[in-house]
Amino acid sequence: DFVMTQSPDSLAVSLGERATINCRSSRSILYSSDNKNYLAWYQQKPGQPPKLLIYWSSIRESGVPDRFSGSGSGTDFTLTISSLQAEDVAVYYCQQYYNISLTFGQGTKLEIK
Amino acid sequence: QVQLQESGPGLVKPSQTLSLTCTVSGGSITSGDFYWSWIRQPPGKGLEWIGYIYYSGITYYNPSLKSRLIISVDLSKNQFSLELSSVTAADTAVYFCARGGSAYGFDMWGQGTLVTVSS
Repeated sequence: DFVMTQSPDSLAVSLGERATINCRSSRSILYSSDNKNYLAWYQQKPGQPPKLLIYWSSIRESGVPDRFSGSGSGTDFTLTISSLQAEDVAVYYCQQYYNISLTFGQGTKLEIK
Repeated sequence: QVQLQESGPGLVKPSQTLSLTCTVSGGSITSGDFYWSWIRQPPGKGLEWIGYIYYSGITYYNPSLKSRLIISVDLSKNQFSLELSSVTAADTAVYFCARGGSAYGFDMWGQGTLVTVSS
């Protein structure tokens, strides 16, 4: 089983400041044959489905603002919002797609301080 | 632009079978190397992957739900479906259908449908 654990569970950041969310996998999700980390990040606002932000741990989906960035490798990953905007208030989830049994982190709720 | 839409009963009695359908529009369910998935979210909680199917009919299920689960595809209607048997209150959730790819996770989602298990 690939257990994904996010930290913190909730986070309050001032507008314009940096927000950092962590995600740890219980096993490496780095695929040696292509050197890619099979990790995605999603943003979910109330009453909406999740929206794909980042895949392969660091590739922004088309249309996602460049204040969102992903980093990390192996088992430890980070989603960074460089300058928090009001519209970024949401719950953020990481998800591994390395293993055919897909798993999500528990989510991190991001609020404005 | 591909769109997904869930449909099915919003209320199911305990011990009965929950059945949902996802209709894919704006593109064929057979195009590309995609898998078609069900994901659920209990009220106020996180996301749980249920399972997925390729258009060929190959399926992969969450081990925790496998004994109660059937996912099928109807190519003629461009739809895929979920059947979850012997439901309990713990199966109450918003059920999403989504398109996934081996390279990027889930890039397209339906709006979700709330299914409540209650007598």
